[in-house]
Amino acid sequence: DAGVTQSPTHLIKTRGQQVTLRCSPKSGHDTVSWYQQALGQGPQFIFQYYEEEERQRGNFPDRFSGHQFPNYSSELNVNALLLGDSALYLCASSTTTGSIEAFFGQGTRLTVV
Amino acid sequence: QKEVEQDPGPLSVPEGAIVSLNCTYSNSAFQYFMWYRQYSRKGPELLMYTYSSGNKEDGRFTAQVDKSSKYISLFIRDSQPSDSATYLCALREYTNAGKSTFGDGTTLTVKP
Repeated sequence: DAGVTQSPTHLIKTRGQQVTLRCSPKSGHDTVSWYQQALGQGPQFIFQYYEEEERQRGNFPDRFSGHQFPNYSSELNVNALLLGDSALYLCASSTTTGSIEAFFGQGTRLTVV
Repeated sequence: QKEVEQDPGPLSVPEGAIVSLNCTYSNSAFQYFMWYRQYSRKGPELLMYTYSSGNKEDGRFTAQVDKSSKYISLFIRDSQPSDSATYLCALREYTNAGKSTFGDGTTLTVKP
């Protein structure tokens, strides 16, 4: 059983560009959450998708957007990249059936130069 | 002020030591209290969680929650070099399945 998979693992972009990160949740999970983890800090919640809709959103600007597909996989899009967007982007999958545990992928390391 | 504050560390202990990792929080709505372990260049993995106040033990790990003081702890007994990692506390409200609020982590090194 594959866990949460994210692609790509590493990415280098230039300021002002746009980037798309991808996540496939753990089998049986229907909810995907995205987190941003800056160096030396804990993960910060960006948003959560369930039933192909954004259900919750953290304190991130509209440059951060997402999508969930019918197979529960998800994308995170960031427009007009800033140097401060450099971070590890983590995807976590879970279920809506009351389970506590969220499984994290290995993350995508984004560097903006 | 952050909702969750975690003792920053870093922490370096000899093998076999007892380790105490701590977080404080300000939001009384938090009901689930979790501890994650994160190895370098990896995603966090859930170690254990507790619901509301009390203690929970799992092998060498004990999680403790004191809601009256808004204080949570993770104790590691007989620490091993393989326990060397960053430990993150994470809290969430009962109704939010995926959203967790994390501390900034404590990096632990256990020396042989």
